[in-house]
Parts: sequence; structure tokens; C-alpha cells
Amino acid sequence: EDKVVQSPLSLVVHEGDTVTLNCSYEVTNFRSLLWYKQEKKAPTFLFMLTSSGIEKKSGRLSSILDKKELFSILNITATQTGDSAVYLCAVDNNNDMRFGAGTRLTVKP
Amino acid sequence: DAGVIQSPRHEVTEMGQEVTLRCKLISGHNSLFWYRQTMMRGLELLIYFNNNVPIDDSGMPEDRFSAKMPNASFSTLKIQPSEPRDSAVYFCASSSGTGNGETQYFGPGTRLLVL
Repeated sequence: EDKVVQSPLSLVVHEGDTVTLNCSYEVTNFRSLLWYKQEKKAPTFLFMLTSSGIEKKSGRLSSILDKKELFSILNITATQTGDSAVYLCAVDNNNDMRFGAGTRLTVKP
Repeated sequence: DAGVIQSPRHEVTEMGQEVTLRCKLISGHNSLFWYRQTMMRGLELLIYFNNNVPIDDSGMPEDRFSAKMPNASFSTLKIQPSEPRDSAVYFCASSSGTGNGETQYFGPGTRLLVL
């Protein structure tokens, strides 16, 4: 059975800290891995990764995929209180999309 | 716990037919969300319920779409009549709380193709 595992499940840091969120997966027919940020209701799209080793970057957020070791990381540098959210990882296996359980990040002032 | 369960996992239908998607929440959860994922628009929130009551259905595209929660653990999303532009992956997610910021647990989705 395909699965997506995120770690840690929750994380509390202080403003200015750097965090790394992990997403490992076991799927057949991998097509892409997506990261979302969920603050209130609907998750908002952050990154889509399809190729190994190519970092995607957006401001203080960056992400990279390792298709050999079957994982991705999401880095947030110089965290701010507005980064507090649940970060979801999802893997598209060409058949459906499997979501992880999310990492709840809390950034304290 | 088996997690959020959706059925069917795949549906292929002809334009004009009625489509019913089903979702079973995680036991003990009281908020239910229906999403649609397409390449063009990404993940869109269609409607969400809290304690069986629809709270926000502003994302429902048009009157052809309707969603119900006949009981606390089950929901349906119906499209009648279906159109090719409804083709997408439909996700159901559940959470425990008010539906505003808690971690949502997603089902595996239903991949709908309307021909």
C-alpha cells in the first residue's frame, strides 16, 4: 500500500530559527511530490517536485527531492510567526494522490 | 483507524450522468471538507461541514454540485448532470474541531473522468 510519512508531527520554534520538515514516501509509479501550507481551511500550494536534486526556492522556503532515498525536505529559514501552519506533503503516483498527516509548525515570537 | 475512506477510487462516466462520491470520516472527527484538484486550478475547497452542518459552500462551482452529511461519519458529493470539465480528483478530508486550522487528514481521492 502506498504511503507518505511526515516528520515530525509537530514542531515548536522561535522566530528566526531554521526548520527542516521531512516527507518520506513509498509509492509505485511516482510522478511528483507536492508541498502545501494549511493555515485555516484549504491548503495553499508551495512546491511541486519531480526531479531529484533540484532545489526549488521561494523566499525563505526551499525544498528538494531525493528519488533514490524516497524523501523530500522543506526548509524554512529565519522563521516568522506567520509561518505557523500545518505543512502537508502529498505524492502523486499517477493514479491518485496520497497525503501525509502533516507537520504542525508553531513559531513563537 | 483506517483513515478517511473514499469511494469509488475511480469513476468514468458519460456527460449528463449523475455521479455520487462518498466519504467516511475518521471516527471521532466532526469536520469534513470536500476538495477538487485539477492541473489548472490546483486544490480548491468546495465545501466544509462542522457537526453535520454546512458552514461554507462558497467553493461549490454551481448548482449541479451538492453535498450532504446524512450522519456524523459519512458524506456524499453529488454532481448532476456531470460535464467533462468536472473531470478532476476529488478529495475528502476530516478533522477534529471547528474546521478552522486543525490538521486535516486526507482520503486517497476519487479520480473522476467525464467523457
